Amino acid sequence: GDSVTQMEGPVTLSEEAFLTINCTYTATGYPSLFWYVQYPGEGLQLLLKATKADDKGSNKGFEATYRKETTSFHLEKGSVQVSDSAVYFCGTSGSARQLTFGSGTQLTVLP
Amino acid sequence: EAQVTQNPRYLITVTGKKLTVTCSQNMNHEYMSWYRQDPGLGLRQIYYSMNVEVTDKGDVPEGYKVSRKEKRNFPLILESPSPNQTSLYFCASSLQLTGSYEQYFGPGTRLTVT
Repeated sequence: GDSVTQMEGPVTLSEEAFLTINCTYTATGYPSLFWYVQYPGEGLQLLLKATKADDKGSNKGFEATYRKETTSFHLEKGSVQVSDSAVYFCGTSGSARQLTFGSGTQLTVLP
Repeated sequence: EAQVTQNPRYLITVTGKKLTVTCSQNMNHEYMSWYRQDPGLGLRQIYYSMNVEVTDKGDVPEGYKVSRKEKRNFPLILESPSPNQTSLYFCASSLQLTGSYEQYFGPGTRLTVT
């Protein structure tokens, strides 16, 4: 079945630091890839997505590029803010019937 | 407002007492699913439904039941809850599963089974 492996946390950064959260996937067919974000006490929200190889998803200063050759979809942001503190989940919809998530990465940004 | 609602938001119960967590969406979505979130394990899918009367097991279905009699509702039923079902539960829906359709998540239900 499909699987997603993402960088274990927690990750703690200072404000304005560069962020990378690694994500690799195993999926059949031509999967779409997603990053979801979960703010404290809330459900998950879609942050960005990419539907085919070499696509770049972007939103709120976050970016991720669909790399088929390395089966990766790493999340990056050039300058994090305190308000970015949250749990980030990488996911794939490779299977026709399920969306598979990674285990989540807790990010804390200190002022 | 497009949304997924879950009730209750918090529930404390005792082992063996049947309970139902309701989930409703107002977006006419075909696909709905239930997840549980546990520390260190992330989100794991319990059950999903591709449409009315079509449901299937996810990765961790043991101890749970679901039904999809109407398109908008997808209740999660715990016939005989046990302490290992203490968790944070999320319902989600999307227009379809295939392709790049966004999943919309409810606010979560925190369940404690003593």
